[in-house]
Amino acid sequence: SYELTQPPSVSVSPGQTVSITCSGDKLGDKYAYWYEQKPDQSPVLVIYEDNKRPSGIPERFSGSNSGNTATLTISGTQPMDEADYYCQAWDSSTAVFGGGTKLSVL
Amino acid sequence: QVQLQESGPGLVQPSGTLSLICTVFGGSITKSNWWSWVRQPPGKGLEWIGKIHHTGSTMYNSSLKSRVTISVDKSKNQFSLKLTSVTAADTAVYYCARVSGDYGWFDPWGQGTLVTVSS
Repeated sequence: SYELTQPPSVSVSPGQTVSITCSGDKLGDKYAYWYEQKPDQSPVLVIYEDNKRPSGIPERFSGSNSGNTATLTISGTQPMDEADYYCQAWDSSTAVFGGGTKLSVL
Repeated sequence: QVQLQESGPGLVQPSGTLSLICTVFGGSITKSNWWSWVRQPPGKGLEWIGKIHHTGSTMYNSSLKSRVTISVDKSKNQFSLKLTSVTAADTAVYYCARVSGDYGWFDPWGQGTLVTVSS
């Protein structure tokens, strides 16, 4: 079955730029989606179709997807961005989520 | 805008059947293509369960397919989840969500409901 691999944790200082990767076989041939989940809250879509931002998502969130890796980048990271981030793609009519990355803003 | 809300028992006996309903508010369930269930065991990641089209077509995660049924009730603007032969491993927060297009993104999500499998 298809797998998406994310680093378990990433840390960043406030105001700095951080990237979270998501790896999967030929992921660049699919659309990648990213969700933010804060403690005890539902996931929220932050990037769709590789690099598009939904209405209401700050411009500091951006995405890219090429080869085997999709990347979520947060520029000028804010303390409020501390959360779990999940990538997602579709393979053989099945939605697949990455294991999630805990972003710490220290 | 569209909002989703899950409802159902928070406690299910082992070997029993988990049943949940997702009610769609602020829009017709027939206006969007697919509606989905996703679960999250405590402290763990997200797992897709399956999706249903408003016409009744379904697709399931192969790992759960033998135990899962998703159905739709257009008259009530609801879709539902049934998971049979549950064990402690099925303890999770269960979310319903709208799928954009056939293979798009999940948005919005319901607030989630915790279902515990225990005697």
